[in-house]
Amino acid sequence: DAKTTQPTSMDCAEGRAANLPCNHSTISGNEYVYWYRQIHSQGPQYIIHGLKNNETNEMASLIITEDRKSSTLILPHATLRDTAVYYCIVLPDQTGANNLFFGTGTRLTVIP
Amino acid sequence: DAEITQSPRHKITETGRQVTLACHQTWNHNNMFWYRQDLGHGLRLIHYSYGVQDTNKGEVSDGYSVSRSNTEDLPLTLESAASSQTSVYFCASSRTGSGEQYFGPGTRLTVT
Repeated sequence: DAKTTQPTSMDCAEGRAANLPCNHSTISGNEYVYWYRQIHSQGPQYIIHGLKNNETNEMASLIITEDRKSSTLILPHATLRDTAVYYCIVLPDQTGANNLFFGTGTRLTVIP
Repeated sequence: DAEITQSPRHKITETGRQVTLACHQTWNHNNMFWYRQDLGHGLRLIHYSYGVQDTNKGEVSDGYSVSRSNTEDLPLTLESAASSQTSVYFCASSRTGSGEQYFGPGTRLTVT
């Protein structure tokens, strides 16, 4: 499984876009990029995933570079409730194993 | 609405006792997972199941067991609780082939 590298922590002003980077330089062609977040004391929450095209849903946008070696999760208008640890996870194709390997993630703090 | 629940939410037990944590999901998902999260760390996979009668060991399975007799439930048993098993335990489920996991609220276990 491809490993991921994320910054340990980031700050973002409330109302501004939060851009969370993730490096996954050893990703293979059939591996998806998933993003989860964990708000303090709660279970992790799925945010978004993608293979090679950019994706957008009601929570966030996912931008994957053309070589697929890195990606960025974008929260367009961060709120205080977005303060959480964000995990970038690379997962084999969707017909394979579904086990998520959580690293240490990025602790995002949204500042008023 | 479909959901995933865990019980108890908090448990204090003594070293050497057998403890069972319950996980119940109404999503009708084939895949179910158990993770533990120690203070200040990411989640680590304990056991997982891809369907009834199927169980598999995860990254940190020593001292734990699971059984899957129906689709809805995956109880986690600590055969002889140890202080090192003091942690927060999360259960999750997903559809076959999907990396989108739905997490329960967690069980905080303290072994004294």
